[in-house]
Amino acid sequence: GAGVSQSPRYKVAKRGQDVALRCDPISGHVSLFWYQQALGQGPEFLTYFQNEAQLDKSGLPSDRFFAERPEGSVSTLKIQRTQQEDSAVYLCASSPTSAASGELFFGEGSRLTVL
Amino acid sequence: KQEVTQIPAALSVPEGENLVLNCSFTDSAIYNLQWFRQDPGKGLTSLLLIQSSQREQTSGRLNASLDKSSGRSTLYIAASQPGDSATYLCAVWNSGNTPLVFGKGTRLSVIA
Repeated sequence: GAGVSQSPRYKVAKRGQDVALRCDPISGHVSLFWYQQALGQGPEFLTYFQNEAQLDKSGLPSDRFFAERPEGSVSTLKIQRTQQEDSAVYLCASSPTSAASGELFFGEGSRLTVL
Repeated sequence: KQEVTQIPAALSVPEGENLVLNCSFTDSAIYNLQWFRQDPGKGLTSLLLIQSSQREQTSGRLNASLDKSSGRSTLYIAASQPGDSATYLCAVWNSGNTPLVFGKGTRLSVIA
């Protein structure tokens, strides 16, 4: 596609439910990133893939958060047993090159609200 | 740990004014710096990317400068328009493949 596509755009979950957020990067982009953005804050790094390899997951806030990119294209961010503090916008970005040199292109985000 | 600060947090100007947004970072060992625009409820749109070896980049009415040694960047917007109203975010890549670190942004309102 022309840009980074994320789905769903909006998700409301009850506390304790599991959620899965999908990211379709720009075709051919090597690097893929997940960020979490709380209201009024800048995005905070969660995890990064180069092709199918997860090179950095240091930003994942707990072991309830899991990300995968099994074929080096589409990625899924899964949050288990959601908590209210997980409410945020989850942004996906892709880059055509390796992380150190690439310009990042962001999707519109998935807004998660945990009740 | 890299920290990025953006000043001011919010800015309101009349249409037509030239304005400057500031970004500072604590670790000058950066690979590049990127300015983004974010409209309410939307994702981030890349505006300008400055490599560490560069001093500035220009795109239309936007000009971004980088002073790596002092840990500062500025985004200059000429002849502001109401359509420029958005949050502007600055982010830096540290050397060594560490991920983009963002500031909290400057929320700009251009009043017609």
